[in-house]
Amino acid sequence: SYVLTQPPSVSVAPGKTAWITCGGNDIGGKSVHWYQQKPGQAPVLVISYNSDRPSGIPERFSGSNSGNTATLTIIRVEAGDEADYYCQVWDTGYRVRVFGGGTKLTVL
Amino acid sequence: QVQLVQSGTEVKKPGASVKVSCKASGYTFVSYGISWVRQAPGQGLEWMGWISTYTGDPNYTQNLQGRVTMTTDTSTSTAYLELRSLKSDDTAVYYCARADYGSASPFDYWGQGTLVTVSS
Repeated sequence: SYVLTQPPSVSVAPGKTAWITCGGNDIGGKSVHWYQQKPGQAPVLVISYNSDRPSGIPERFSGSNSGNTATLTIIRVEAGDEADYYCQVWDTGYRVRVFGGGTKLTVL
Repeated sequence: QVQLVQSGTEVKKPGASVKVSCKASGYTFVSYGISWVRQAPGQGLEWMGWISTYTGDPNYTQNLQGRVTMTTDTSTSTAYLELRSLKSDDTAVYYCARADYGSASPFDYWGQGTLVTVSS
């Protein structure tokens, strides 16, 4: 089935910008969703349909998607952003929802 | 407000079955599908399948076919996940999640998770 590749970890200093990538074959042709998961909690949708921000999600979170890479961007990173982040798409071929392996964001 | 409230922690022996419930409130139950997602300890998210709450038709991932059953009870706005012939590899937190009926739609609300431990 369709494979989504994320870096296992990303580190960033507070106040800086974090970029978390999600690679997949022609992912630019798909709708990508991003979830944030803090330890011991359920995932939370932070970006839908590549770049839409659900109600309540800070404007510091944004998304883009083109070619073979989708990117979640977090500007002015805060300590509270430390979490695991997962990308997710619908695999039209196998008709399944697929998650990336997840990226642990560490705020230094 | 939209809520998905799941049943509590389960401990099962290998070969047994488990049934997890997910009670929805705050929206029209049949207007959204329910997916089940699991997460093994220290691992990522794995989509298990989904069920149309409107028709009751399920769609399971191939690797769980034959061991999993997803059902709904519209009278109580509750979705159920049953997993049979449990193995140690099935030890995980199981989440229900709501999504619009479009296949590409995101999971906008999640249950709190149910820990299922399979151990002899």
